[in-house]
Amino acid sequence: EAGVTQFPSHSVIEKGQTVTLRCDPISGHDNLYWYRRVMGKEIKFLLHFVKESKQDESGMPNNRFLAERTGGTYSTLKVQPAELEDSGVYFCASSQVTRSGGYTFGSGTRLTVV
Amino acid sequence: DAKTTQPNSMESNEEEPVHLPCNHSTISGTDYIHWYRQLPSQGPEYVIHGLTSNVNNRMASLAIAEDRKSSTLILHRATLRDAAVYYCILRGAGNTPLVFGKGTRLSVIA
Repeated sequence: EAGVTQFPSHSVIEKGQTVTLRCDPISGHDNLYWYRRVMGKEIKFLLHFVKESKQDESGMPNNRFLAERTGGTYSTLKVQPAELEDSGVYFCASSQVTRSGGYTFGSGTRLTVV
Repeated sequence: DAKTTQPNSMESNEEEPVHLPCNHSTISGTDYIHWYRQLPSQGPEYVIHGLTSNVNNRMASLAIAEDRKSSTLILHRATLRDAAVYYCILRGAGNTPLVFGKGTRLSVIA
């Protein structure tokens, strides 16, 4: 099966600009997660979708971040306006709706805000 | 989610077995033990998970202590491609997301 696809793989934007990251989960996976790793820090949870609904968005850093998952398929994560501290690697993962199952992660989008 | 404790780093010789320990003394009865690894410049990769019994798959084995307060990920023959950060994660009740800690950085020496 195809894996989790994220694009772009890299993005360099200026402070104040807008960037949209996209994640295509594995087909049939209702759970979709966004995570972020800021340089030197641990991988942090951002939010969790079950189909098109936000199940948990407790990890979203602030209201400059907006995640959507229209139709319960692919998801986008928009950062507007981007700040320097938003730089990092953003990972998306998907899983089936079973608690014990593993996640499949994408390769991530490396975002650099200059 | 209950916390886990792992050594910061470990080193292994190529083609030798590697035992990566994880302590989780506050684990609850419904917590699954998950292991993931992250190779350089890649996203985390699922390795194995278990609840009470030892588990084996093509990548590794998971040995779970009888009291479930610790577990060990076993790589039977380390290769250079196994060099990665290994994360031991407890996943609690409900559809809760994985919570990553610092993990163990495994170096494999040729």
